[in-house]
Amino acid sequence: AQSVTQLDSQVPVFEEAPVELRCNYSSSVSVYLFWYVQYPNQGLQLLLKYLSGSTLVESINGFEAEFNKSQTSFHLRKPSVHISDTAEYFCAVSPYGGSNYKLTFGKGTLLTVNP
Amino acid sequence: DAGVIQSPRHEVTEMGQEVTLRCKPISGHNSLFWYRQTMMRGLELLIYFNNNVPIDDSGMPEDRFSAKMPNASFSTLKIQPSEPRDSAVYFCASSLDRERSYEQYFGPGTRLTVT
Repeated sequence: AQSVTQLDSQVPVFEEAPVELRCNYSSSVSVYLFWYVQYPNQGLQLLLKYLSGSTLVESINGFEAEFNKSQTSFHLRKPSVHISDTAEYFCAVSPYGGSNYKLTFGKGTLLTVNP
Repeated sequence: DAGVIQSPRHEVTEMGQEVTLRCKPISGHNSLFWYRQTMMRGLELLIYFNNNVPIDDSGMPEDRFSAKMPNASFSTLKIQPSEPRDSAVYFCASSLDRERSYEQYFGPGTRLTVT
């Protein structure tokens, strides 16, 4: 079984400030890692994913996450946030193989970007 | 392209009534998921279909819940009888194929309130 811990339930920041949303996971098997974003009154959208290869992955809107196997972490970062980044962010894992549909989500981190 | 479509977006019903939630996955996707989101438990996978066949229903809470997928473009989640503890946001998601079923596209959700 897998578990995901998002260490901060809420993160308020000012516009153009850097931000880091923390995610740690626990698993007895190898996993894929994901960040999903949920804007108000919408469903979740895949933001970025780590499947294999380079441990640093990037999204098209400036977010990046780094897989750290020794620390079992997958923290999400952005060097300069915009008002439009205000949303809830979910870290998730799924196991390799036939059960890769079984996404285990963290409880979410609400990022609020203030002017 | 149309995303995952869910109806209704909001449902308010009285305890004991039957509730039916509907989902149309993205055209061409052959995997479909139903999730429930609550503040207490976060996002939980209820059931997973592949090629219209239920593959994993271990997350379905109890016999009051049932899900069907009669064809590739339609699925329902039914609760009968409904109870106040069923109040939650229910999401439907789809993915392109079983191999990449970790990459899921979510609908906007149905907010269910049972009084």
